Amino acid sequence: EDQVTQSPEALRLQEGESSSLNCSYTVSGLRGLFWYRQDPGKGPEFLFTLYSAGEEKEKERLKATLTKKESFLHITAPKPEDSATYLCAVQAGNYGQNFVFGPGTRLSVLP
Amino acid sequence: DGGITQSPKYLFRKEGQNVTLSCEQNLNHDAMYWYRQDPGQGLRLIYYSQIVNDFQKGDIAEGYSVSREKKESFPLTVTSAQKNPTAFYLCASRDPDYGYTFGSGTRLTVV
Repeated sequence: EDQVTQSPEALRLQEGESSSLNCSYTVSGLRGLFWYRQDPGKGPEFLFTLYSAGEEKEKERLKATLTKKESFLHITAPKPEDSATYLCAVQAGNYGQNFVFGPGTRLSVLP
Repeated sequence: DGGITQSPKYLFRKEGQNVTLSCEQNLNHDAMYWYRQDPGQGLRLIYYSQIVNDFQKGDIAEGYSVSREKKESFPLTVTSAQKNPTAFYLCASRDPDYGYTFGSGTRLTVV
């Protein structure tokens, strides 16, 4: 069965304290891995798509990387406005257009 | 601006009552989806539609129904057969390259 797990479940950082979020997956035939940001009471917003091991994408203070078994979302010098839940999702060959979502990591950045 | 509009933002359902959640998109996407989000769990797929007048059950379709009479619209009905409907419901459409675009969600509460 295809599965996606994320760790830690929650992370509290001081402003400027860099860290990484993990997304581990076991799927049959990865077609893409997606990162989203979700603010409380709102829908997820697209951040990155990664397609193959070794690929990296960057946006402001965020950098996403992909290996054959996991993806990392690195947050460099975070600010309080980076506080949100970060979701990853995988698109696997078995599901065609459908995705499997992880439970998310809830990030709090304190000033 | 293109996007997905969900309404209402908050909805209260009495026992034994059917309620319908609205989802409209102006992105010209063929595929549309309904997900349910519960605390500590990943998004779970309820129904999806890849084309007008066609839809498929997702992982947790029992107690829900949908229709797709227009490309822009994909309403979800939560029936009285759904025994635990309290959750955050997300509608999405899909771009082949960028994954999902989500609406802002509807929070449904049983009273």
